[in-house]
Amino acid sequence: KAGVTQTPRYLIKTRGQQVTLSCSPISGHRSVSWYQQTPGQGLQFLFEYFSETQRNKGNFPGRFSGRQFSNSRSEMNVSTLELGDSALYLCASSPGGSTNEKLFFGSGTQLSVL
Amino acid sequence: QQQVKQSPQSLIVQKGGISIINCAYENTAFDYFPWYQQFPGKGPALLIAIRPDVSEKKEGRFTISFNKSAKQFSLHIMDSQPGDSATYFCAARRNQGGKLIFGQGTELSVKP
Repeated sequence: KAGVTQTPRYLIKTRGQQVTLSCSPISGHRSVSWYQQTPGQGLQFLFEYFSETQRNKGNFPGRFSGRQFSNSRSEMNVSTLELGDSALYLCASSPGGSTNEKLFFGSGTQLSVL
Repeated sequence: QQQVKQSPQSLIVQKGGISIINCAYENTAFDYFPWYQQFPGKGPALLIAIRPDVSEKKEGRFTISFNKSAKQFSLHIMDSQPGDSATYFCAARRNQGGKLIFGQGTELSVKP
């Protein structure tokens, strides 16, 4: 089985722009979660989608949004980019049936905001 | 109450030695405690996980020790190898919560 695929791998944007990141979960997985990783704040939960519905949300401003499609693929969008949004954005998938099941992470999208 | 505190921030161990990383939590509603390993340029990968109804879990050279009364858990890497050099994260999750709360990470370097 292919792992979690995130595209693009690297992205450079300027302040004020918006960006869309994509995640394809492992085949058969219905839950997709997004995390932001920075050297200062570590790994922080953004949101989780299950069957096209947002099931959990972290403490991030409304500029961060996401969605999930019927094939379980997910996108996250960040509008009006700020310098502090520079981070590694990680997507993780799981089957979705239990709250304690394993999460499988992709390699992430490294976003740099200039 | 949502924090997971991890120490040390960095660790240097000689090949063949034991690496020990510690985590502490406050929220007694947490009931799933995984450890993740992350190599540069890669996403975190699950190493081993434990539920609070057991005090120890071992998988190969990796062991989690869990102390429910102290609200602490630790990762022991026996016979540490240079290939174990990576960043390790502890995490916790509530049964109904769904999201993982991560520790700040420990950068492990195993010297040959």
